[in-house]
Amino acid sequence: DIVMTQTPLSLSVTPGQPASISCKSSQSILPRDGKTYLYWYLQRPGQSPQLLIFEVSNRFPGVPDRFSGSGSGTDFTLKISRVGAEDIGVYYCMQSAQVPWTFGQGTKVEIK
Amino acid sequence: EVQLVESGGGLVQPGGSLRLSCATSGFPFSNFWMSWIRQTPEKGLEWVANIKPDGSEEHYVDSAKGRFTISRDNTKNSLFLHMNSLRADDTAVYYCCSTATFWGRGTLVTVST
Repeated sequence: DIVMTQTPLSLSVTPGQPASISCKSSQSILPRDGKTYLYWYLQRPGQSPQLLIFEVSNRFPGVPDRFSGSGSGTDFTLKISRVGAEDIGVYYCMQSAQVPWTFGQGTKVEIK
Repeated sequence: EVQLVESGGGLVQPGGSLRLSCATSGFPFSNFWMSWIRQTPEKGLEWVANIKPDGSEEHYVDSAKGRFTISRDNTKNSLFLHMNSLRADDTAVYYCCSTATFWGRGTLVTVST
């Protein structure tokens, strides 16, 4: 199974400041059909996860452009250019390149 | 508007069975792989199973193999998870998910005496 490791596990950010979350996979997530199946989700308190980024770097419709994803191979990053109060919650990376799909442990983002 | 609504969760004794359902609307259900994903505070998010659009292919996490069966009814835009031989560590919120995109709000399964 591919193990997904996120760092940091928690982040306290001043509003308007940037934030970055790393996600490393235990095996290279290889492209399939020209796509790399690496996703980022935000789970707000009391809600189910919602898709932010699909296939490494594509923002899901409606997701603000302050969110960006990058990476390849085993190293992936989610960046928030200016964190706002509505961005608090737990962020997860997930790979669906190989069964079983696997998730990172989550990164809890709080506002200072 | 895309909607996925899970039902069928509840309290069940160890060794018991449960059938989860997911009613969907707002997207072409029969074109999408569908998944069940569960979440606990201790283990976080865990993918459980998925099924091909036409129902001809299924995949399971090792802990679910032989005990859980995923199925779908494309005429009713519905997804199911039949769970047998339930154990305490199956206790979780179970989410229905279309491909890796849209998630339902989840249904709580508690396995306990």
